[in-house]
This record gives sequence, structure tokens and C-alpha cells, in this order.
Amino acid sequence: EVQLVESGGGLIQPGGSLKLSCAASEFTVSSNYMSWVRQAPGKGLEWVSAVYSGGTTFYADSVQGRFTIFRDNLKNSLYLQMDSLRAEDTAVYYCVGEYSSSSGLYWGQGTQVTVSS
Amino acid sequence: QAVVTQEPSVTVSPGGTVTLTCGSATEDVTSSHYTRWFQQKPGQAPRTLIHDTTKRHSWTPDRFSGSLLGGKAALTLSGAQPEDEAEYYCLLSFTDSWGGEFGGGTKLTVL
Repeated sequence: EVQLVESGGGLIQPGGSLKLSCAASEFTVSSNYMSWVRQAPGKGLEWVSAVYSGGTTFYADSVQGRFTIFRDNLKNSLYLQMDSLRAEDTAVYYCVGEYSSSSGLYWGQGTQVTVSS
Repeated sequence: QAVVTQEPSVTVSPGGTVTLTCGSATEDVTSSHYTRWFQQKPGQAPRTLIHDTTKRHSWTPDRFSGSLLGGKAALTLSGAQPEDEAEYYCLLSFTDSWGGEFGGGTKLTVL
């Protein structure tokens, strides 16, 4: 059974940094499409960032230049380095994996990020 | 940027049948959009119900089905159960949008 387990969330002051981690089992991070999706309180789902199997990365305009997505193939894990955090980055962040654009998505349980002074 | 539309809220009676739709503001939804449907219950992560427009995931009950209907993607629930009360999101793939576009979600009430 595919499992994606996030960690690293927490309470951080505006302007601070956090690194989210996503450990995968029964799913190979390096050979599939991995992404981060967030959900602000009471709101819908929003793409944050993604990385293709070949290494190409994508970012939402709202996080471009502040967030960096990367993976560790040996640890079979995905990461999101978040810098210059803002109050509007407050959300639950989900790690998501998929085999292809037509396949189902596998979701982690989410990790809460709260940006507040 | 494509806008994906869903009904904000829908109510169905227990045992009843309901169809949720997912449309695009810019074009008809076709099989090329590889529609996915997700169910999210309060305090839980989303989970995939349907992918590639019509295909159920391994854990998806048979009472859920996906289709195309009148230029939109559709999720039909036949024989609604109390545990089906949740938020439902669709996701459409577009060639010019990495990841695709999420709909705003439909809150389904079973009452």
C-alpha cells in the first residue's frame, strides 16, 4: 500500500523558514510525478510545487522564488524548503504522488504550517 | 488560466442518487482532461475516488461513478449513504497548466 508521510510543519514567524519532508513507501519518488498541494483554512486545494521524474520543477506564482522543491532518491523522500514565509502561506500542506497525468493521486495526511507573529 | 466550476453545495436524501458536475469556463470537458475526483471529509486528507474520467480507485465503492455529461465531467452517487457526506473536488488537466486546475469543491450533504 502506498504511503506518503509528511513532517516538518509548525508555527513560524513571518519572514522565517521551514522545511517540509515527505517520506514515501511502496512508491518511488524519483520515477514518478511528485507535488505539494496546500489548503488554507476553510478553502479549497491549491497547487504549490511539483517535480517531474526527469527533474523539471514547477511553482505556483505565489511561491516562485521563495519555495524550493527537491527530492532525495536514496531516502525516497520529497522536500519543500519554504523561505520568506508570509501569513498567506498558512495552510495544511499535502504531499501528493502520481504515476501519470491520467492516474489517481496518492495523498499524504498533511502537515500544518502556521505563519504568525 | 482555466477556471474550473463546481456546484458549491448539493443535498441528497439517504438512498438517493445525485450528480455533481465539473466544468471549464474556457472549453468543453473531454476525456483529454483526464478528470479526477476526490473526496475530503472534515479533518482528513483528500482521497482519490475517480481518475481518468471514469476509473474507480481500488478503494472506491461501486456506488460512485464518473462520466462526461453535456460538456462537463460528472460524478454520480447512486444510493447515498450518510458516510458520503463530504467535500468533493475535481481536477482537470490542461496542456498549458502544470498539474491541472482544481475546482472549488462541492459540499455534499446527505439529509
